[in-house]
Amino acid sequence: AQSVTQLDSQVPVFEEAPVELRCNYSSSVSVYLFWYVQYPNQGLQLLLKYLSGSTLVESINGFEAEFNKSQTSFHLRKPSVHISDTAEYFCAVSLQGAQKLVFGQGTRLTINP
Amino acid sequence: EAGVAQSPRYKIIEKRQSVAFWCNPISGHATLYWYQQILGQGPKLLIQFQNNGVVDDSQLPKDRFSAERLKGVDSTLKIQPAKLEDSAVYLCASSPLRGAGETQYFGPGTRLLVL
Repeated sequence: AQSVTQLDSQVPVFEEAPVELRCNYSSSVSVYLFWYVQYPNQGLQLLLKYLSGSTLVESINGFEAEFNKSQTSFHLRKPSVHISDTAEYFCAVSLQGAQKLVFGQGTRLTINP
Repeated sequence: EAGVAQSPRYKIIEKRQSVAFWCNPISGHATLYWYQQILGQGPKLLIQFQNNGVVDDSQLPKDRFSAERLKGVDSTLKIQPAKLEDSAVYLCASSPLRGAGETQYFGPGTRLLVL
C-alpha cells in the first residue's frame, strides 16, 4: 500500500522569503502525485499535479514541484511567498490506474510580515 | 459552474446518536468520494462511488457507517451510532471521469463534534 509523509507539520516564513514544503511517498508501483491547498475557511483545491512527462510542474500562482523518482519525493517550492499563501498544504498520491487519493498529514504554512 | 455542495456545515451530537450528511456533486461528475479528516491528519477515503455503484469502501467502518448514491447524483453518509472518535470533518469530493489522475473537487465539508 502506498503512503505519504509530509516532514513538517508547520512551516513559518517571512513574506517574500523562499519556502519548501517536503513530501515523500512510499509505493512499490508507479504513482501520480498531487498537491492540494486549503485556504482558511475554504475547501481543498488542487494546486498542481504530476502525471507524466516533465518532472517539474508549476501552478498558476508561482508554486512548483519536482518529481524525483529515485528519492521518492515531490517537494513543493516557491521562490517568494505572499501573505495570501497562508494555508494548509496536502501532498497526495494515487496509483496509476486508480482514482483513490492517499493524503499526507498536511503542512501549515504561515507567512509573517 | 457550481461547486460541490454539502450540508449541514456543522453538527453537534451526543455519542450513540445517529447523524446524516448530504452531498451534491458538480453536475455531470460521475465519481463521488467521501473522506474523513480528523484534526491534525490528512483526509482519509471512506467510500468511492462511480455513478451509483460502489468502487471502494475498504476503509468504511461498515458496522456504523453507511452511504448511498441512489440516482447517481447526490449522496448521503450516515453514522449510527456515533462514537467520540467520529469527531472529524467529513469531506465530499467529485471528479468528472473515471480515470486515474483526474482532479477531485472538494466541498466545504461538514464538521462533526460528538460529545
